[in-house]
Amino acid sequence: DGGITQSPKYLFRKEGQNVTLSCEQNLNHDAMYWYRQDPGQGLRLIYYSQIVNDFQKGDIAEGYSVSREKKESFPLTVTSAQKNPTAFYLCASKTGTSAYEQYFGPGTRLTVT
Amino acid sequence: GQSLEQPSEVTAVEGAIVQINCTYQTSGFYGLSWYQQHDGGAPTFLSYNALDGLEETGRFSSFLSRSDSYGYLLLQELQMKDSASYFCAVRGRDDKIIFGKGTRLHILP
Repeated sequence: DGGITQSPKYLFRKEGQNVTLSCEQNLNHDAMYWYRQDPGQGLRLIYYSQIVNDFQKGDIAEGYSVSREKKESFPLTVTSAQKNPTAFYLCASKTGTSAYEQYFGPGTRLTVT
Repeated sequence: GQSLEQPSEVTAVEGAIVQINCTYQTSGFYGLSWYQQHDGGAPTFLSYNALDGLEETGRFSSFLSRSDSYGYLLLQELQMKDSASYFCAVRGRDDKIIFGKGTRLHILP
């Protein structure tokens, strides 16, 4: 089955630790996106990548980093510099720049204490 | 920059019709999308408008007016399962896709 997987579903970390969230897709999509969702805030764009080895900052990139070494993978690292990391993180992909429909993974709920 | 405005909550009765509005500001516009998200779930795509006018997909329709930077999602024959959050999203320059804060739809029996 084709789709987007995010693991784990729930993640707990202590403050001051970096943590990497996984996002893998087997849809052969070129473009991938990371969003953060907080209650009442909608989805805010962290980083996005239109092609392998290239990515752009979204609106709230501070405290986050990404890599896009493979087409199917777009991991997100939440660094200790991110002041409020506790949130629901959603990864999405779409076929390419001409496409409009994004396909979302199930999300990872990160709790930092 | 890009920003979108949509009502935070809307309430309607089962079987009725409801409209969720969205206004946007963007530098470079390629289209307006709508997504549905149930509590704890992932957003799922509903509709997309790149040109002015109405797009219909079953019980769901979406409208766009680029001159007014405005669009809406119309849900007909409301069912209890339509209780969810609905997001408009703008696709802009460099394929940057920004979402609104979402509209929580409450459906009364």
